[in-house]
Amino acid sequence: SQTIHQWPATLVQPVGSPLSLECTVEGTSNPNLYWYRQAAGRGLQLLFYSVGIGQISSEVPQNLSASRPQDRQFILSSKKLLLSDSGFYLCAWSPSSVSSYNEQFFGPGTRLTVL
Amino acid sequence: GDSVTQMEGPVTLSEEAFLTINCTYTATGYPSLFWYVQYPGEGLQLLLKATKADDKGSNKGFEATYRKETTSFHLEKGSVQVSDSAVYFCALIYTGRRALTFGSGTRLQVQP
Repeated sequence: SQTIHQWPATLVQPVGSPLSLECTVEGTSNPNLYWYRQAAGRGLQLLFYSVGIGQISSEVPQNLSASRPQDRQFILSSKKLLLSDSGFYLCAWSPSSVSSYNEQFFGPGTRLTVL
Repeated sequence: GDSVTQMEGPVTLSEEAFLTINCTYTATGYPSLFWYVQYPGEGLQLLLKATKADDKGSNKGFEATYRKETTSFHLEKGSVQVSDSAVYFCALIYTGRRALTFGSGTRLQVQP
């Protein structure tokens, strides 16, 4: 069966510091991968998605970036964090095959607090 | 653009009460519809789904029917438990698209 991992689970960082969040998927090949952010009391916003190694699409302009160095690894980064980057970051994956729907499966999330 | 609207929360119910959480959507065409649940401090779990009109998704006593005529996908449960306390998200996606469009979520609090 497929599983998705995220780490760290929680993170407290000062403004201006760098960020690296990691997501890995097991039990599947060539998945689509996604980074979402959930701000406090709000819904989810798609930040990035990837359909393959080195292929990243950005949904919103911001100071975050994403990379996919391996097939089942997805990394969210920032060179300098802002207060507004605080939130709950969720990684998700979906099968790569085109079907009648694209069901996405979410990881446990990383809670980031920027002080 | 596409959007999903959910009823404002929190919804507070007593144990064994009937639950309805409304969800309506605005979209061109016929998306697939989902309900996700988020327990405190955790990620999202897929609760149920429906891929075409009149489909009924069901899981763990929850049900939702894809109503094309009213563009709705209301979540229902006949008898809620304290353990159902969570935030529920309605979402849609089109075939070939990459991003789920989520509603803002509805917090459910079930009291013993």
